[in-house]
Amino acid sequence: DSGVTQTPKHLITATGQRVTLRCSPRSGDLSVYWYQQSLDQGLQFLIQYYNGEERAKGNILERFSAQQFPDLHSELNLSSLELGDSALYFCASSGGHLNTEAFFGQGTRLTVV
Amino acid sequence: AQTVTQSQPEMSVQEAETVTLSCTYDTSESNYYLFWYKQPPSRQMILVIRQEAYKQQNATENRFSVNFQKAAKSFSLKISDSQLGDTAMYFCAFKGSGTYKYIFGTGTRLKVLA
Repeated sequence: DSGVTQTPKHLITATGQRVTLRCSPRSGDLSVYWYQQSLDQGLQFLIQYYNGEERAKGNILERFSAQQFPDLHSELNLSSLELGDSALYFCASSGGHLNTEAFFGQGTRLTVV
Repeated sequence: AQTVTQSQPEMSVQEAETVTLSCTYDTSESNYYLFWYKQPPSRQMILVIRQEAYKQQNATENRFSVNFQKAAKSFSLKISDSQLGDTAMYFCAFKGSGTYKYIFGTGTRLKVLA
């Protein structure tokens, strides 16, 4: 158990809909990262937050948004969903300024039908 | 821009044998961290081993060890006494101390044969 909790584990939704993925980082970790992994693909960086502030943005679509709340949990919002958004979405967390390794949650498997 | 390259899409090894997975990276930063992650069929991302660039000694974790060649920007993973449970996708990852994201390679799919 990495200590990072993602909910839900599975999500099936229709095209055009909006969903919210939730992530609770490891206790004490200030940084949260979101990655997208399509079937048999690598991990694509979406966005990173540190203590509530956005620090880095990757190839995140305008239809996607995220935030980190004061209690450090994070949510990734995906709207106007398309079939191509079907993927495994990972949240990871890491410590503060020590820049140590990232620990991953189990992922949320999103299926858009 | 930093990049991570894994040139071996797939590999196989006999149980109990040793296998080495390759990874090269490119960066202009002097201080950074390198990682190997394992993704078994369950799709969970599991940290296998990490290496700090300022440390000359290669990291070791039980049957897993790395060969870190800083000048060559190479970071290979050696798995000794391979076990069936080592069957997984392995990702090499880089994080610079001055950057905010972890950069992953495309992965190497390893199959351990009985």
